[in-house]
Amino acid sequence: EAQVTQNPRYLITVTGKKLTVTCSQNMNHEYMSWYRQDPGLGLRQIYYSMNVEVTDKGDVPEGYKVSRKEKRNFPLILESPSPNQTSLYFCASSLSRTGTKETQYFGPGTRLLVL
Amino acid sequence: AQSVTQPDIHITVSEGASLELRCNYSYGATPYLFWYVQSPGQGLQLLLKYFSGDTLVQGIKGFEAEFKRSQSSFNLRKPSVHWSDAAEYFCAVGAYNYGGSQGNLIFGKGTKLSVKP
Repeated sequence: EAQVTQNPRYLITVTGKKLTVTCSQNMNHEYMSWYRQDPGLGLRQIYYSMNVEVTDKGDVPEGYKVSRKEKRNFPLILESPSPNQTSLYFCASSLSRTGTKETQYFGPGTRLLVL
Repeated sequence: AQSVTQPDIHITVSEGASLELRCNYSYGATPYLFWYVQSPGQGLQLLLKYFSGDTLVQGIKGFEAEFKRSQSSFNLRKPSVHWSDAAEYFCAVGAYNYGGSQGNLIFGKGTKLSVKP
């Protein structure tokens, strides 16, 4: 089944404790992206990647890192989480490298609480 | 700068009634437009998209949307709402940086739809 998977689905952590949220897609998509969703703000893009070893900042990259060492995986790293990073996070992928015209397929989301 | 406005934060309709969700965009060129739906506790699913051609596009689950360039709008419609349509709906525009190869989806803030029995 074609899908985007994220782990963990729920995470509670404390300020400053490094964490990684994994994202994997099995559709051989080139474009992958991370969004955060906050009430009243909709979805905002954190980082995106157009191919292996090619990543760039989205609209709200501060406090986050990403890597794209393999085509299928795009982990989101919070080196020193803070409470303002409490949010619902979505990973998405699409076929083409730009992601602009293509349908983006979303993972189920990761709900993060930073105490 | 590109932006998407969904003027209605929350809409309630009766089951069987018609539905229209509004979306206005700001973009300097021909936009790529999308509607996504998010059911409670779920990720986002694409309902429909517009790139070019016929301005009335059909999507899944009986939804349609009409692109009106003169009004910078891409409103979502459904003739008869079902209780299972209760969800949050997001309009998005595909942003494209001229001279670059970046791609991004700019989302509206969403409209939550409630359906009365």
